[in-house]
Amino acid sequence: DAGITQSPRHKVTETGTPVTLRCHQTENHRYMYWYRQDPGHGLRLIHYSYGVKDTDKGEVSDGYSVSRSKTEDFLLTLESATSSQTSVYFCAGGTRPETQYFGPGTRLLVL
Amino acid sequence: GIQVEQSPPDLILQEGANSTLRCNFSDSVNNLQWFHQNPWGQLINLFYIPSGTKQNGRLSATTVATERYSLLYISSSQTTDSGVYFCAVAPQGGSEKLVFGKGTKLTVNP
Repeated sequence: DAGITQSPRHKVTETGTPVTLRCHQTENHRYMYWYRQDPGHGLRLIHYSYGVKDTDKGEVSDGYSVSRSKTEDFLLTLESATSSQTSVYFCAGGTRPETQYFGPGTRLLVL
Repeated sequence: GIQVEQSPPDLILQEGANSTLRCNFSDSVNNLQWFHQNPWGQLINLFYIPSGTKQNGRLSATTVATERYSLLYISSSQTTDSGVYFCAVAPQGGSEKLVFGKGTKLTVNP
């Protein structure tokens, strides 16, 4: 897992509540990414970061925000969770875009 | 945006057989990676291969960038090779933004 952990690993929440997922890395990766994985869609990029306080949108960024105040942590926030955001969320990191190492994933269920 | 198609979607093999997985992409790329997701959900980076050929043990990969496809070869398959294999690409000028194919699900039976 190249030193990438995610918390929580599982979460059940209700529609309309805010949710924050945390990605923590110990390998000094410059680049960090948040993906979601859904049946029939593979993995899709939500947001990524190319340095502290430097972030950019991915393919499916609507309804999500991110923050990276220090190298080790990359937070993904769902401001007001919806059922369509039920998914498995993966964090990834790497020192270069050419290699990405994934965390174990977080299963989120929005009721 | 760039399109990524993987084939076949499903593949069932007997242990010891060889297989070839294909990834077609619709535009020039400067980043192409192959990943394996095991049955427990863990994603592992196999190759970074925007062009050329690489080998790692029983796995090898070839990308023909001019013809916009990549192949992943698995030789002498083992049950531990089971899982989903993803190809992911990033177009020229955006190497951070990988676009994933939908994957090939491989089942290796003993």
